[in-house]
Amino acid sequence: QKEVEQNSGPLSVPEGAIASLNCTYSDRGSQSFFWYRQYSGKSPELIMFIYSNGDKEDGRFTAQLNKASQYVSLLIRDSQPSDSATYLCAVNPASGNTPLVFGKGTRLSVIA
Amino acid sequence: NAGVTQTPKFQVLKTGQSMTLQCAQDMNHNSMYWYRQDPGMGLRLIYYSASEGTTDKGEVPNGYNVSRLNKREFSLRLESAAPSQTSVYFCASSARINTYTGLNQPQHFGDGTRLSIL
Repeated sequence: QKEVEQNSGPLSVPEGAIASLNCTYSDRGSQSFFWYRQYSGKSPELIMFIYSNGDKEDGRFTAQLNKASQYVSLLIRDSQPSDSATYLCAVNPASGNTPLVFGKGTRLSVIA
Repeated sequence: NAGVTQTPKFQVLKTGQSMTLQCAQDMNHNSMYWYRQDPGMGLRLIYYSASEGTTDKGEVPNGYNVSRLNKREFSLRLESAAPSQTSVYFCASSARINTYTGLNQPQHFGDGTRLSIL
């Protein structure tokens, strides 16, 4: 059973701080990693994807991947109340053209 | 710039009734997916279609059927609705896996269908 684990939260951070969201996965051969944001009552929205070890930055968001340790993280700099949402980590299994495996998500609350 | 369109957005059914949830995408994606999302359970894959003409079971297929009508459309049918199928249903699509790199492409989601079964 291929698994993606996330702390359910809530993770509370003050406005302007860095929010750090973590995700671990069980399938060592996984190659594609995605972060989605889901506001309450809305559908998941793609924020970032990362394929290679290291950091990938996009505006206030940075995705970090460490395949040796089997974790992927999302950093949100200068957190805003509008960042309050559930963040879903998704990983592709190593077995080729199969659907992504989603974690259950971490709920982030940014306090003004 | 519609992306993935789901209909209806809301539906209330009685136990035993049948209905079909519709999904269409205009991004020329090969793969399409149906998920359900329940509180505390995350997204659970019901069925998916890797390409036109193929469908496969996901994690929770019981009580559902699907049809990949053409490249654009992928429908989900509840033949005899049960209260346990009360949920939010999301359709998603993605481009074909990159056969050279083996890397999956991101999935793009529709707005969801909120289904209540009494």
